[in-house]
Amino acid sequence: NAGVTQTPKFQVLKTGQSMTLQCAQDMNHEYMSWYRQDPGMGLRLIHYSVGAGITDQGEVPNGYNVSRSTTEDFPLRLLSAAPSQTSVYFCASSLSSGNNEQYFGPGTRLTVT
Amino acid sequence: GENVEQHPSTLSVQEGDSAVIKCTYSDSASNYFPWYKQELGKGPQLIIDIRSNVGEKKDQRIAVTLNKTAKHFSLHITETQPEDSAVYFCAGRKNTGNQFYFGTGTSLTVIP
Repeated sequence: NAGVTQTPKFQVLKTGQSMTLQCAQDMNHEYMSWYRQDPGMGLRLIHYSVGAGITDQGEVPNGYNVSRSTTEDFPLRLLSAAPSQTSVYFCASSLSSGNNEQYFGPGTRLTVT
Repeated sequence: GENVEQHPSTLSVQEGDSAVIKCTYSDSASNYFPWYKQELGKGPQLIIDIRSNVGEKKDQRIAVTLNKTAKHFSLHITETQPEDSAVYFCAGRKNTGNQFYFGTGTSLTVIP
C-alpha cells in the first residue's frame, strides 16, 4: 500500500490563480480530511468527508472547495488564491469517522505571491 | 469548538533524560486524545493515544497521562534518544462530531 499520497509536493501561485491539490489513499478508508499547518498554529481542519459524496466544513473552510466522487480521492480546490493561503497542506484518512487513527500524507507546501 | 493548548513550544533535553509535554483542553465532551510526531518534511504520525476512560497508557519509552477533572493530558518520553528529535502535536476529539483539534506543537531537541 502506498498509504496517503499528495501531489504536488511544492507549488507557487500568483494571487487570483486557481489550482487543485490532489490527495489519494489506497486503504479503502471512508474518512478523509484536509488540514493546513501554519507556524505557531498547529494543524487546522479545512474540510472533511465521511464517505463518497459526503463532505462538510471544518474550522477554516473559507476559500477552499472539496468534492468526494470516489472513496480513494479527495481533492482540495483553491478557486482564487490569496497570500493568506500560503501554508503547508496535509491530507489525512482513517478507516471510518468513528475510527480514530488518522494517517497523514507527506504534505504540499503552497506559496501564494 | 474545542481549544487545545500545548506547552512548551520548544524543549531541549540531554540524551537519556526525560521529556514532558503538556496539553490542556476546554471542552469536557472531548474523549479521545492522540499524540503525533512530525519529522522534518513529513506528515504527522500517530505515536500514542488515550481515551477518557483511561488515566494512563504506556508504550515502551512513551507514556501518556490524562486528568479529566483538570482537563489536561501529558506526553512523557523517557531515556530520550537523538531520533526522538521532532515536533510533537497533541489533539483532542469530542465523542460526537468528526473534528480533531490540534495543539500548536512542541519542537523537541535531544542533545547527544
